[in-house]
Formats: sequence, C-alpha cells, structure tokens
Amino acid sequence: AQSVTQLGSHVSVSEGALVLLRCNYSSSVPPYLFWYVQYPNQGLQLLLKYTSAATLVKGINGFEAEFKKSETSFHLTKPSAHMSDAAEYFCAVSGAGSYQLTFGKGTKLSVIP
Amino acid sequence: GAGVSQSPSNKVTEKGKDVELRCDPISGHTALYWYRQRLGQGLEFLIYFQGNSAPDKSGLPSDRFSAERTGESVSTLTIQRTQQEDSAVYLCASSLSRQGAEKAFFGQGTRLTVV
Repeated sequence: AQSVTQLGSHVSVSEGALVLLRCNYSSSVPPYLFWYVQYPNQGLQLLLKYTSAATLVKGINGFEAEFKKSETSFHLTKPSAHMSDAAEYFCAVSGAGSYQLTFGKGTKLSVIP
Repeated sequence: GAGVSQSPSNKVTEKGKDVELRCDPISGHTALYWYRQRLGQGLEFLIYFQGNSAPDKSGLPSDRFSAERTGESVSTLTIQRTQQEDSAVYLCASSLSRQGAEKAFFGQGTRLTVV
C-alpha cells in the first residue's frame, strides 16, 4: 500500500524567494517518486522523478527534489520563484515498474510580485 | 497525435443522465489510464488498459462506471445515471509500455459537472 501527504494545500511566496513544497510518502515497496505540475486549463506535466538512482533529482524549470529515505520525504524546491511558477503541484508515488500512481491532494503555489 | 487528446473539455449534465468521455492516446502507446480528480483531492486511479490484456478495473468507484478500449486506440469512459459526486476532472494518460507510470503523458482532462 502506498500513500502521499502534501503539507499545505496552498503556499504563497514572493517572486525571487525560495520555493519549498513538502511531500511525505509511505510505501511497502521501494518507491518511485514524482512531482507533477498542472497549469490552469492544462494537463499534468512531469516535473521530475526519482527512480532509485541519484537521490537529488533535477527537473525542468529549475526545480529539484531530494529523496530522503530516513525521513520518507521528497520535498520540491526552487531557489528563486518566478511568476510563471504559479500552478498546482502534485507529488505521486508508485512501486518500481508499477503502472499505478498514487497522488497527493496537491499544493497550489501562488507567486506574489 | 502530438499528445493525449480528451473530449469534450467540459461537460455539464443533469443528474441521472449518462455521459461518455473520450480519450485519444498518443499514437503507438499501448498503455492507457483513467484518473479522476475531485475538487480538493488528489488524482484517483480508475482503470488501466495494456494492449489486449484484461484491464485493471480496481479503481472504478461503482458499477455505474465502465470503460472500453479497442486495441491500442481510443478509449471511452462511461458514467451511467450520473450523481453530483461524480463531478470532477477526468484525466486520461498513455504510455509506451507497461513499465509505466513514469512514462505516462496526461491529457488536459474533461471537466464534468453534474447538476
């Protein structure tokens, strides 16, 4: 069984500030972990993924996430927020090679000019 | 096509009516998934098709929900006797292989509103 908890349904940051979106997971098998972004009126887009290689994963648009097994976390960060980062972000987990994703409830990121 | 295409993009229906949602996967993608995203919730897995294998229907919430896919082509998700709690965005995704989730591309979704 797998589950994902995203802390904070809504996060606001100032333009240029650090972005930190939190994700904790539970999994009975070695997990694959994902961050997806959903811009208004668009489909989900994969930002980055952890699939048991390097624990620090770099994705698109300057985002990165670090897999910490001891903390069962996979938090998403970006050093400097841009207005275009405003979107909803979803953390997800699957078993290695599994086709089924388990998603968190999402975090809506607002960027204040 | 260039991406996963879903239609309609928006659908408003009266409670008790049946609806059909359509998904055109990326050409050549053998795997196809349906997810549901209710307001304030994460995506819920509904059903998975892989080639001509029997689909995994374990996520369908009730027998009012069904889905079909012929071969590696279009899929339709049908909801019979719609209820207000069926209001959600229904997302379709496809991927090249059964190894899956990390290879999936998502469509823009169909926003279903049951009034």
